[in-house]
Amino acid sequence: GNSVTQMEGPVTLSEEAFLTINCTYTATGYPSLFWYVQYPGEGLQLLLKATKADDKGSNKGFEATYRKETTSFHLEKGSVQVSDSAVYFCALEDSSYKLIFGSGTRLLVRP
Amino acid sequence: EAGVTQFPSHSVIEKGQTVTLRCDPISGHDNLYWYRRVMGKEIKFLLHFVKESKQDESGMPNNRFLAERTGGTYSTLKVQPAELEDSGVYFCASSQAGLRETQYFGPGTRLLVL
Repeated sequence: GNSVTQMEGPVTLSEEAFLTINCTYTATGYPSLFWYVQYPGEGLQLLLKATKADDKGSNKGFEATYRKETTSFHLEKGSVQVSDSAVYFCALEDSSYKLIFGSGTRLLVRP
Repeated sequence: EAGVTQFPSHSVIEKGQTVTLRCDPISGHDNLYWYRRVMGKEIKFLLHFVKESKQDESGMPNNRFLAERTGGTYSTLKVQPAELEDSGVYFCASSQAGLRETQYFGPGTRLLVL
């Protein structure tokens, strides 16, 4: 069946460090891929998405590229800020249009 | 435009009691979804409404869970009787009519069953 695997957290970085959070998926066909973020005390927010192979989603300095050959959608940011501290969820949309999520990765950015 | 709202934000109940969670989707959104995250694990799909009809309820764990969407507006999710393993965060999401539309999530209801 469809599934999403993302790296275990927590990930702890200093401000201005480079961020990568790995995400790989297993799916039939070519699903849309998403990164959602949950800031402390808030709900899930869509961070970025990509709907087909080689698409790059980007928002707020974050980027992720839909890689069909490696079935990956890794999240990257060149310089993280303290305000980026949150839990990040990778997800795919299956053929029934529901989202399949990974387990989430907590990011802690220290000043 | 108001986002998806959920009520209550937190609920603490004892095993065997009943709890009802409410979700108000973004106005005009035909699609409404329920998800939950149990014990820090992945967020899992529960069910999907299109207007007032259940489109997909394959994720509902058992018959202790009952979801309704009266008149195609707000939705309720009732757990009766609640068990310890029902503890977690219940999220609601909505999207516009049609398929492959972005799902917008509410803040979630944190349920603790003692």
